[in-house]
Amino acid sequence: EVQLVQSGAEVKKPGESLRISCKGSGYSFTSYWISWVRQMPGKGLEWMGRIDPSDSYTNYSPSFQGHVTISADKSISTAYLQWSSLKASDTAMYYCARRSIDFLTAYNWFDPWGQGTLVTVSS
Amino acid sequence: DIQMTQSPSSLSASVGDRVTITCRASQSISSYLNWYQQKPGKAPKLLIYAASSLQSGVPSRFSGSGSGTDFTLTISSLQPEDFATYYCQQSYSTSRTFGPGTKVDIK
Repeated sequence: EVQLVQSGAEVKKPGESLRISCKGSGYSFTSYWISWVRQMPGKGLEWMGRIDPSDSYTNYSPSFQGHVTISADKSISTAYLQWSSLKASDTAMYYCARRSIDFLTAYNWFDPWGQGTLVTVSS
Repeated sequence: DIQMTQSPSSLSASVGDRVTITCRASQSISSYLNWYQQKPGKAPKLLIYAASSLQSGVPSRFSGSGSGTDFTLTISSLQPEDFATYYCQQSYSTSRTFGPGTKVDIK
């Protein structure tokens, strides 16, 4: 079964650093990009950025560029999302998702998704 | 970034109703449009990809159509388990974007 399993919920203080993880299994981890998606409380989905685990090439949404870092360790089939200095406004659920693609047409979509990691930042 | 809009933002419907949700892109995205369903406390689930292709395992009462800038998601006969929030998402540009969502609840 193809699945993404994310690390558990985190409670942090403003200014602290954090790294959350997303482990892929049931498929070749280096063959599919991983994206991260934010969902603030009661709000919609926001694409943050993506990584190609085969070479760790990344793209970020302009809204998140410089605020987070996406990385991957292909030896353990795991992608990461990290912050160097959290803010209260980073409080949200964070999902990872695998990009699936039809190579003939280049149509692509997110499936599957991880179960989500809730990050709470509060003093 | 390509901006995505959805209408309505919410709707109330009864079991058995036909429901249509519209998604519009700020520029042409061909058929690079996906639809997801999200229930409270759960991760989003892929329903439709490439504008009109039904994901494996998704009931056939769900269908998608459109190309260019205008797209629709239709639920032909709403079932109790379909009450959820639905998001469109463009996969045309490097920077992916989602629509703001449409919440479907019980009338």
